[in-house]
Parts: sequence; structure tokens; C-alpha cells
Amino acid sequence: RKEVEQDPGPFNVPEGATVAFNCTYSNSASQSFFWYRQDCRKEPKLLMSVYSSGNEDGRFTAQLNRASQYISLLIRDSKLSDSATYLCVVIEYSSASKIIFGSGTRLSIRP
Amino acid sequence: GAGVSQSPSNKVTEKGKDVELRCDPISGHTALYWYRQRLGQGLEFLIYFQGNSAPDKSGLPSDRFSAERTGESVSTLTIQRTQQEDSAVYLCASSPLAGGRGQYFGPGTRLTVL
Repeated sequence: RKEVEQDPGPFNVPEGATVAFNCTYSNSASQSFFWYRQDCRKEPKLLMSVYSSGNEDGRFTAQLNRASQYISLLIRDSKLSDSATYLCVVIEYSSASKIIFGSGTRLSIRP
Repeated sequence: GAGVSQSPSNKVTEKGKDVELRCDPISGHTALYWYRQRLGQGLEFLIYFQGNSAPDKSGLPSDRFSAERTGESVSTLTIQRTQQEDSAVYLCASSPLAGGRGQYFGPGTRLTVL
């Protein structure tokens, strides 16, 4: 089983729709969680941190479910510019920190 | 402020040659990471530097790959005797702590080995 798993998609939704995707992680000791977005042929960019209490930034909401070991990203009122690959990142802290990237979920917003 | 910068942005080389890729992290960031991303694939961790601690080299794919970092500044990734399968985008990222506040990526170096 992969340490961090994401549905690769693609998710193809109309503009204005709400879309959500999850990312599961295998190590219950994982402590920090993030969502990044990566546009085609560009570097990943930090989108938001994920907390157990939830984190909202405009149209984006991120949630962490420790019991079920997954994080989620919800995008409301999707825009064409939201089309990108969304990467989840899990950080494990032991003797050294270990940062694990998911392989990404591709999102395509159509007019 | 200035973000992470990498040079060169593109590098085309012949099989068997050595290449050196450079990363300038954000000033004050103690952690620095190198990743490789092949076309259409996810990020592959290569190496991690944290302050003056010994680097985590667990992701380096072979002994042809090495990296150095001077203090908390510039890092260079060296690939010796390049092979065609080394063709990828090499991304550098830095963070203020050990990733606990997220990483900030440079634009990458696109390496093509002919």
C-alpha cells in the first residue's frame, strides 16, 4: 500500500460546480498535512495547510480526519483557473521529518 | 521577497556527461529539498538538508547523484555520467523549518539527456 494515495482523476466538472477529493495516508503518526496545486509544466505551489478543525480559504476548504486517516479538499463555485493537479502532502516526524507527496489528482473545469 | 531560484532553467546534455544544477533557497530557510519529476509523474524525493545536520540522502537513485549545500544557502545537485532516464524536471524547495510550514518550490531545471 502506498504511504499517500490519491485518486488520479481526471475530475472533469462544469464551471460553478463544487468538487471534492480525498487523500488517504497510511501512517497514523503523520503530523502535518498540506494541499499543493501544480499547473501544467510548473512547480507545485502551496495552497493551504490542513488542520483537524478544518481550514477555509475563500472557496477552498480543507479537512483532516485522523480517525480515518484522510484529508480532503473542497472547492466551491469552481473557476476555469482552478484547473490543475492537486497534490496532498503528509509529513511524518520521528528522528527526522519525512515529507511524502501524493501523486496528485487532476482537475479540469469546463466552461 | 525573492522566492526559490534555480539555474539553469533548461539543460540539454549528451549521455555520459556530468551536469550540475543549482538552487538558491529563500533566505532564512533552514530546510532544503531536491525532487525529481518525470513527465506526467509525481514528485520523487531525492535529498534533504536541514541546517548543519547530516543530509537525508535516502532518495538518491544511484551513486551518480550527489548534492551539497553550503551552510543554509546555495545547494548544488550533481549528476555524473548522465543517462537518458535522468531526463526530468529537477525541483528544489525550501522551508523555514523541517517542512512544518509548507515548502516553497523553485521553477525547476528541465534536464534533457540525449
